[in-house]
Amino acid sequence: AQTVTQSQPEMSVQEAETVTLSCTYDTSESDYYLFWYKQPPSRQMILVIRQEAYKQQNATENRFSVNFQKAAKSFSLKISDSQLGDAAMYFCALLQGGSEKLVFGKGTKLTVNP
Amino acid sequence: KAGVTQTPRYLIKTRGQQVTLSCSPISGHRSVSWYQQTPGQGLQFLFEYFSETQRNKGNFPGRFSGRQFSNSRSEMNVSTLELGDSALYLCASSVTGQIPSPLHFGNGTRLTVT
Repeated sequence: AQTVTQSQPEMSVQEAETVTLSCTYDTSESDYYLFWYKQPPSRQMILVIRQEAYKQQNATENRFSVNFQKAAKSFSLKISDSQLGDAAMYFCALLQGGSEKLVFGKGTKLTVNP
Repeated sequence: KAGVTQTPRYLIKTRGQQVTLSCSPISGHRSVSWYQQTPGQGLQFLFEYFSETQRNKGNFPGRFSGRQFSNSRSEMNVSTLELGDSALYLCASSVTGQIPSPLHFGNGTRLTVT
């Protein structure tokens, strides 16, 4: 069975600072993909960044980057230059190759302080 | 392009009743997935439809069912509602054909069972 664990229920960061959200996962498959989704109060899940397991290079999307440690099964999200609009629930998710079924972590609530 | 549309946004039902939720995917998207989000269990996969066929199913009782129409719109039905069915139900659509297909989520339907 695949599992995703987010050990930080809540995090806070000052505006313009950097914050890192943690995620560990477990899967026996070699073909999988990892994602970070953001869920603001509007409830819509928004894809922040994704990482293919076969790629060694860490994914980046503007201020968002990941630290993908495949051997340790760790997938952390770094948000640089935090903005007030980054405040949301962040979910780490795992997708097995060939499947449309996402397995989510329990989420981390990020607060950005002005 | 219009996003994923879920109706209704809010629903209040009584125990024992049944409910039908609707999801209209992004134009051109043929895969529709459903997820249940609760504070206790987090986000859990319900099922996924592609071209009117259920391809994947999560670990939910038979009271939860769904279907997809020829225009890719999908409905999910919950019969004999229980208090524990109170949740945010999220629908997501994807193109499928590219692996992995990025999931695009709707704003969800908030179901309250009293």
